[in-house]
Amino acid sequence: AQSVTQPDIHITVSEGASLELRCNYSYGATPYLFWYVQSPGQGLQLLLKYFSGDTLVQGIKGFEAEFKRSQSSFNLRKPSVHWSDAAEYFCAVHSGGGADGLTFGKGTHLIIQP
Amino acid sequence: NAGVTQTPKFQVLKTGQSMTLQCAQDMNHNSMYWYRQDPGMGLRLIYYSASEGTTDKGEVPNGYNVSRLNKREFSLRLESAAPSQTSVYFCASMNTGELFFGEGSRLTVL
Repeated sequence: AQSVTQPDIHITVSEGASLELRCNYSYGATPYLFWYVQSPGQGLQLLLKYFSGDTLVQGIKGFEAEFKRSQSSFNLRKPSVHWSDAAEYFCAVHSGGGADGLTFGKGTHLIIQP
Repeated sequence: NAGVTQTPKFQVLKTGQSMTLQCAQDMNHNSMYWYRQDPGMGLRLIYYSASEGTTDKGEVPNGYNVSRLNKREFSLRLESAAPSQTSVYFCASMNTGELFFGEGSRLTVL
């Protein structure tokens, strides 16, 4: 069965600093990978996705992520965070073939210091 | 374009009461899903429907039933609510592996 690990429950970053959120997955083949963001009291919004091809993917709001097969990782990065980036971030994996939904990590709560 | 719409947004129940969460999508997607979100647990799949007329259990189906009424609508029913079902529930539909979420339904069981 596929699984996703987000090692950091909370991360605190100063406004304007760079950000990297970690995500490791477990799946036998090349999965579909996603990052979603959830602002307080809101639903989940897709930041970016990786299906195949270029391993560096660009998303909305200035985020990017890099797929590294050798490390089974799909880390999310942003060069300079804004106070509005404070939110919960979820990494997710899909097997790519079926309709059995995405498997989510437990999330990383991002706090932005002024 | 409304996307995925869930009702109600908030509900308080007493232990043993029943209720149904409604979900509808207008994107003509075949697959629909119900997840629950609990602090520190991420999102866990309760049930899903790959297409109209089919439903399957997810990771945490106990205590829930679902109905795929038609292609647009997928409801989640709690027959006898328990405090452990206090959670935020999200409905979603899928297109090419990507999930589109509703805004969530916050359920409290006393």
